Amino acid sequence: GENVEQHPSTLSVQEGDSAVIKCTYSDSASNYFPWYKQELGKGPQLIIDIRSNVGEKKDQRIAVTLNKTAKHFSLHITETQPEDSAVYFCAASKTGKLIFGQGTTLQVKP
Amino acid sequence: DSGVTQTPKHLITATGQRVTLRCSPRSGDLSVYWYQQSLDQGLQFLIQYYNGEERAKGNILERFSAQQFPDLHSELNLSSLELGDSALYFCASSVGSTGGEKLFFGSGTQLSVL
Repeated sequence: GENVEQHPSTLSVQEGDSAVIKCTYSDSASNYFPWYKQELGKGPQLIIDIRSNVGEKKDQRIAVTLNKTAKHFSLHITETQPEDSAVYFCAASKTGKLIFGQGTTLQVKP
Repeated sequence: DSGVTQTPKHLITATGQRVTLRCSPRSGDLSVYWYQQSLDQGLQFLIQYYNGEERAKGNILERFSAQQFPDLHSELNLSSLELGDSALYFCASSVGSTGGEKLFFGSGTQLSVL
């Protein structure tokens, strides 16, 4: 079955810097790659997603890139703010269910 | 607010007991997914239902079972509970069941088995 690896497990940046989180997936048939943000005491919240027919997608300070050949995708957050501090999960899917990476704890220091 | 409702928010019980977790999906969503989140295992997919029928199964123990009712709400039943079952259990919903579905998660049920 699908396996998703996510790195790094923790990431600390200064406010205003950029943050990059990387994921690799194993099943070349996967065609949908969302990113979720989870704040303390809350459920995961979808922040951006990309489909396999697209190489890059942007939404304000957040962007996701996909390299199907290498089977990896990345989340880029620019101009980080303290409220970006949370746990971020990547996921992959070829059917309805999502297989998640292990998560990255992002800390943005003011 | 995702529109997915989970009850109860917290549940404390003893080993060997049985509990039921409840999930109401977003209005219009036909698929319900259950995930288990523990510190060392991340978000693990348990099971998916679509319009009342089981659609996919993940790492769900035989002691666990689920169902989706005609009104589309779902229940996850956990029996013969063990200490290791302590975790956050999330329900998510989506419109359909094929690839590329956006999943919306509830706030979770924190289960503590003592």
